[in-house]
Amino acid sequence: ETGVTQTPRHLVMGMTNKKSLKCEQHLGHNAMYWYKQSAKKPLELMFVYSLEERVENNSVPSRFSPECPNSSHLFLHLHTLQPEDSALYLCASSQVTGERCQPQHFGDGTRLSIL
Amino acid sequence: AQRVTQPEKLLSVFKGAPVELKCNYSYSGSPELFWYVQYSRQRLQLLLRHISRESIKGFTADLNKGETSFHLKKPFAQEEDSAMYYCALSGLGTDKLIFGTGTRLQVFP
Repeated sequence: ETGVTQTPRHLVMGMTNKKSLKCEQHLGHNAMYWYKQSAKKPLELMFVYSLEERVENNSVPSRFSPECPNSSHLFLHLHTLQPEDSALYLCASSQVTGERCQPQHFGDGTRLSIL
Repeated sequence: AQRVTQPEKLLSVFKGAPVELKCNYSYSGSPELFWYVQYSRQRLQLLLRHISRESIKGFTADLNKGETSFHLKKPFAQEEDSAMYYCALSGLGTDKLIFGTGTRLQVFP
C-alpha cells in the first residue's frame, strides 16, 4: 500500500475510554504530523515529528499523547477526552530538507466522536 | 500573528465562468504559500505552490506581497473543479503549515 494510511476510519468512544489512532506512511518521508479538523475551523496543527523527534506541540491538552516509534509510524493516544474533541484527525507526512517547505501528503483521517 | 484568511466559505459558478478563490495572509517574514484541494471522497492533496509558478489543472496563483494575497484563479471553470480549496502558509525554512478555513467551490453545469 502506498501513501499515508490511517486507522481506524471511524471511532466512537466514551469520555473515560482509552484508544489510539494509528498512521503509517509508505513514502519514505522523515516528518509526520497530526492535525485536527473541526467544523467551521481551520485545520489545526497538533504535533510535528521530524526524524522521530517531536519538534512541535501546539498547546495540545495532555489527554492527547503522540508517539512516533519510527519514521513510518505515528500514533495518537487518547484518554479521558471531552465532547469538544470530536473531530476529524488527519495525519500527514513530508520530506524535511531544511530548506523550503515540502508538500505534505495527507491520510484520509479518523472521524472521532466522543459520547 | 501568522494567519491565513479565506473570506468566502462558498463560491458557486457555472461551467465556463472564471473563478477566483481569495486568500490573504498575515506573516512577518518571508512566506511560502500553497493551495491544497480536497475533492469529494478523496484526501486532501497539494494543488500548487507559489515557488513552482506552475499552472495545475488550469489553476494559477500569484503571490502578491504588497497586498499579502495568494488568490487562486482559473479562467474557465469545469464541473470537476468542484471541491474544497484550502490556502496554506509556511515560513521559510519551516515545515509548519497554517491553513485557512477553506472555500467550497461549486461548479454548475
